[in-house]
Amino acid sequence: NAGVTQTPKFQVLKTGQSMTLQCAQDMNHEYMSWYRQDPGMGLRLIHYSVGAGITDQGEVPNGYNVSRSTTEDFPLRLLSAAPSQTSVYFCASSTSRGTFFGQGTRLTVV
Amino acid sequence: AQSVTQLDSHVSVSEGTPVLLRCNYSSSYSPSLFWYVQHPNKGLQLLLKYTSAATLVKGINGFEAEFKKSETSFHLTKPSAHMSDAAEYFCVVSDRDTGGFKTIFGAGTRLFVKA
Repeated sequence: NAGVTQTPKFQVLKTGQSMTLQCAQDMNHEYMSWYRQDPGMGLRLIHYSVGAGITDQGEVPNGYNVSRSTTEDFPLRLLSAAPSQTSVYFCASSTSRGTFFGQGTRLTVV
Repeated sequence: AQSVTQLDSHVSVSEGTPVLLRCNYSSSYSPSLFWYVQHPNKGLQLLLKYTSAATLVKGINGFEAEFKKSETSFHLTKPSAHMSDAAEYFCVVSDRDTGGFKTIFGAGTRLFVKA
């Protein structure tokens, strides 16, 4: 099993550009989520999904969109990148037994 | 609603001395509780988890945590710190929520280990 596969690992964007962070899991987990990690802030929940076709907002959803067309995939879209979105992003897949994380994406918006 | 409070943003210990990282939580149901560790520029690694079995949970690298329902705490301990333990530690609660369940992270505690 690959677990949670998150791409890309690094990305630099110009302000106003759009991009999609990809996330896929092969564990058949219903619950998936996206976090951003900033110094001194821990991990903050952006969006989450409890199953295909169902998404909901987390703590810091503004500027991000998600969709969940399949159980496996949960992409995160930045429609118009802003410098405030410079961060490290983690995708996660969870059951009540634990959370599995992707390796993270370090995004810089200039 | 769930919440997690890590009581210390930074903890500094000397090598060979005990480690205590404190975590309090609130939950409406019967939560699962976890500790994760993140070394610099690395991903997150599961240290240990509590899922309604034994209240004293042993994890990897000599860490353990005790679930105390009366105190709503899940503190992480290690008898003797090692330099390689220097990292950031996250306490996490997973619990049922409307439409499924939700996972909430604490803000993290950075552990410094002095030689």
